[in-house]
Amino acid sequence: QVQVVESGGALVRPGGSLRLSCAASGFPFSDYYMGWIRQAPGKGLEWISYIGDRGVRIYYADSVKGRFIISRDNAKNLVYLQMNSLRGDDTAVYYCARGGSLLREAFSDWFDPWGQGTLVTVSS
Amino acid sequence: DIVVTQSPDSLTLSLGERATITCKSSQSLFHSRNNKNHLAWYQQKPGQPPKLLTYWASTRESGVPDRFSGSGSGTDFTLTISSLQAEDAAVYYCQQYVDPPFTFGPGTRLEIK
Repeated sequence: QVQVVESGGALVRPGGSLRLSCAASGFPFSDYYMGWIRQAPGKGLEWISYIGDRGVRIYYADSVKGRFIISRDNAKNLVYLQMNSLRGDDTAVYYCARGGSLLREAFSDWFDPWGQGTLVTVSS
Repeated sequence: DIVVTQSPDSLTLSLGERATITCKSSQSLFHSRNNKNHLAWYQQKPGQPPKLLTYWASTRESGVPDRFSGSGSGTDFTLTISSLQAEDAAVYYCQQYVDPPFTFGPGTRLEIK
C-alpha cells in the first residue's frame, strides 16, 4: 500500500545537526513531490519544506530557510531533511508526506498520505 | 506569505448535531491556471498523523464519509460535518496550496458531548 515512513529523530543539543529520512513505497516515487511538516508539542501543523519530483524545485518556510536542506534520492525512494543550527523551537514531531504529481492532477499540492512522524527534541 | 485563519478555535457539540468550521485566507486561493480553489482540509486525532478529508475546497477524498463536506471560494471556506459521530472528535486543519509556503490554519478542536 502507499506509505511513507520517517526515521532519524533524536535528542540533539542546541546548535547541533540531524538528518531525517523518509522511505516511500507503494507509488511511483519519482513522479511525486514530497514534503516535510512539523508539529511542536501541543501545537498546530507547520509546513516547512517541499521538493519537486526531480529535486529541482525546492521550497522552505522562512523559519527554517538557511538552516534546513531538503533532498531526495529517486533511485532509493528516499527523501531527506538535513537540519543544522538546531534551536529549541525546532522541537517537534516531523512528518513526511506525499505531495502533488501530474499523475494525480496538475498543482495537486495537498498531502496524502502522511507518515507517523519522528520526534526531534532540541535540548541541552 | 498567505496567512490562513480558522474559527472557532474550538467547539463542543452533541452527537447528531451539525458542525461548521470556517477557514479564511489573506489572499484568494482561486487560481485561473486551473479555475480551482487550492484548499485542503485535514482531520487529526490524538497520537495520529493528519488525514486528508477534502481538496480543491470541496472534493471529498476517497473513503471519507459523505457527512464531511467542504465549500467556499476565493478567501472564505467552510468544512461542514452534517451529523456528528463520536469518532469525529479531532482537530481540523485547512491548508492552502496555491502559493508556497503552503500554510496551514491554526486548527479547530472539535469535542463531542
